[in-house]
Amino acid sequence: NAGVTQTPKFQVLKTGQSMTLQCAQDMNHNSMYWYRQDPGMGLRLIYYSASEGTTDKGEVPNGYNVSRLNKREFSLRLESAAPSQTSVYFCASSDAYEQYFGPGTRLTVT
Amino acid sequence: QKEVEQNSGPLSVPEGAIASLNCTYSDRGSQSFFWYRQYSGKSPELIMSIYSNGDKEDGRFTAQLNKASQYVSLLIRDSQPSDSATYLCVLSPDSNYQLIWGAGTKLIIKP
Repeated sequence: NAGVTQTPKFQVLKTGQSMTLQCAQDMNHNSMYWYRQDPGMGLRLIYYSASEGTTDKGEVPNGYNVSRLNKREFSLRLESAAPSQTSVYFCASSDAYEQYFGPGTRLTVT
Repeated sequence: QKEVEQNSGPLSVPEGAIASLNCTYSDRGSQSFFWYRQYSGKSPELIMSIYSNGDKEDGRFTAQLNKASQYVSLLIRDSQPSDSATYLCVLSPDSNYQLIWGAGTKLIIKP
């Protein structure tokens, strides 16, 4: 039982490059989330999916897109990376208020 | 703008003492409150939830909620070095399970 897994753990991109962050959960949760965490700031919600087949914008969606591939998987795509997207990205899942987090992806955009 | 405010710290507490972490929030309609713990370089994990005014105890942890004054606190009794972490105050402003996160208070327990 792996919980929430994320790949990759670390990534360095050049400005303008694209990439997809992968997330999968094996807890049969309906809801999944993508957050970013920057120093001195709380987690900020990028996108969420309340159930399979639905996605909604969170607080900071600009520059990102998501896909809820199935109930288990929720991916985050950066189409044209910018230095302002340097951050730690967390995926989470839940069926209620308690959210379970993946280990995070440390992304640096140069 | 719904906000959660926490002192960033660090808060330094001797081992064995009580650590007191505080949080204020702006949305009077918030009903659900949580404390998450985050070790350095790790992801957040839920340690306490509280939904009604008063105290809620779980082992060495006590969460306190005062909705009239719009503050939430977390007390850690008999603090241990393993309690050294950042503590995130979190609330849910409505019933759709989205959370609003504070920036966290860094707690250091000194042996």
